[in-house]
Amino acid sequence: AQSVTQLGSHVSVSEGALVLLRCNYSSSVPPYLFWYVQYPNQGLQLLLKYTSAATLVKGINGFEAEFKKSETSFHLTKPSAHMSDAAEYFCAVSVDDYKLSFGAGTTVTVRA
Amino acid sequence: NAGVTQTPKFQVLKTGQSMTLQCAQDMNHNSMYWYRQDPGMGLRLIYYSASEGTTDKGEVPNGYNVSRLNKREFSLRLESAAPSQTSVYFCASSESQGSPLHFGNGTRLTVT
Repeated sequence: AQSVTQLGSHVSVSEGALVLLRCNYSSSVPPYLFWYVQYPNQGLQLLLKYTSAATLVKGINGFEAEFKKSETSFHLTKPSAHMSDAAEYFCAVSVDDYKLSFGAGTTVTVRA
Repeated sequence: NAGVTQTPKFQVLKTGQSMTLQCAQDMNHNSMYWYRQDPGMGLRLIYYSASEGTTDKGEVPNGYNVSRLNKREFSLRLESAAPSQTSVYFCASSESQGSPLHFGNGTRLTVT
């Protein structure tokens, strides 16, 4: 069974600073990996998806994530945080069935 | 495009009452899902339907039942609500296995 660990339930960054959200997964086979974002009182929206075509995946709103098989990691980054990036972010993994497992989530706060 | 529509948005139930959460998607997706979101626990899969006519249990199915009424609609029923079922419920759909999920805006349920 796959599981997802997000390190840090809360991250606070200054506007313009680097955003780094960590995600590690446990899986014996190359997985589908996703990052989703949730704004207050809304459902989750897809930020990006890893599909094995490239290890560095670019998503919406300037976010990108790098798949590192040796580290079983899929960390999310954005070079320069914007106030609108304040939200909760979820890493998710599926392997060979229809079930998507989500991490516990990381809340990002952006300081002016 | 409406995407995934959930009703109701909010609901308060007394212990032992029953209710059905409705979900419909207009994207012609094959797969549909019900998740619950609780603080610090991410999203947990309750039930899913890989295709019209099939349903399967997810991680936390106890106390719930589902019906895949047709390709568009997937309902979640609580037969006898318990306070432990207080949560935010999200319906989602996807085109196929490994495809990104599209989420509704959620139903906030409180059981007293």
